[in-house]
Amino acid sequence: SQTIHQWPATLVQPVGSPLSLECTVEGTSNPNLYWYRQAAGRGLQLLFYSVGIGQISSEVPQNLSASRPQDRQFILSSKKLLLSDSGFYLCAWSVHGEQYFGPGTRLTVT
Amino acid sequence: SQQGEEDPQALSIQEGENATMNCSYKTSINNLQWYRQNSGRGLVHLILIRSNEREKHSGRLRVTLDTSKKSSSLLITASRAADTASYFCATVPWQGSSNTGKLIFGQGTTLQVKP
Repeated sequence: SQTIHQWPATLVQPVGSPLSLECTVEGTSNPNLYWYRQAAGRGLQLLFYSVGIGQISSEVPQNLSASRPQDRQFILSSKKLLLSDSGFYLCAWSVHGEQYFGPGTRLTVT
Repeated sequence: SQQGEEDPQALSIQEGENATMNCSYKTSINNLQWYRQNSGRGLVHLILIRSNEREKHSGRLRVTLDTSKKSSSLLITASRAADTASYFCATVPWQGSSNTGKLIFGQGTTLQVKP
């Protein structure tokens, strides 16, 4: 069966520090991969998606970037975090339309 | 940009009652999906309904889709305390031959089921 991993589960970072969140998927090949951010009490905002290795599409211009170095690995990064980057970050994968989400990373920028 | 809008924003019912949540969207879609999120957790896929379908069932869940009105509803019958969660609708916009599967989420409905 397929599983999706995200780490870390929680993260507290100072403003201006770098960020690296990792997501890996097991049990499937060539999935579409997605990064979402959820502000408190709100819906999910799509940040990036990838349909293959090295193929990244950005939905929202900001100081975040994404990379897909391997088929089942998706990384969200920032060189310098802003206070507004705080939120709940979710990775998801899909093959046939339905999306399956990881447990999320709660990021607090102080 | 947000495509789906859910109504109501919050719903509180007694165990055993039915819960109905509505979702409206703006553009043509490939499919519409409903997800559940327990507090502080990831989302769980509940049901997917395609643009050429009008109704779909899964256990105690019933989803309807009216593409002429660009709306959908999720009905949970015989609710249980364990159904307490936030429920989101999400649409996959119609993109012709290109289907990246991108989901556009609504703001969600928070459902509380009292024992």
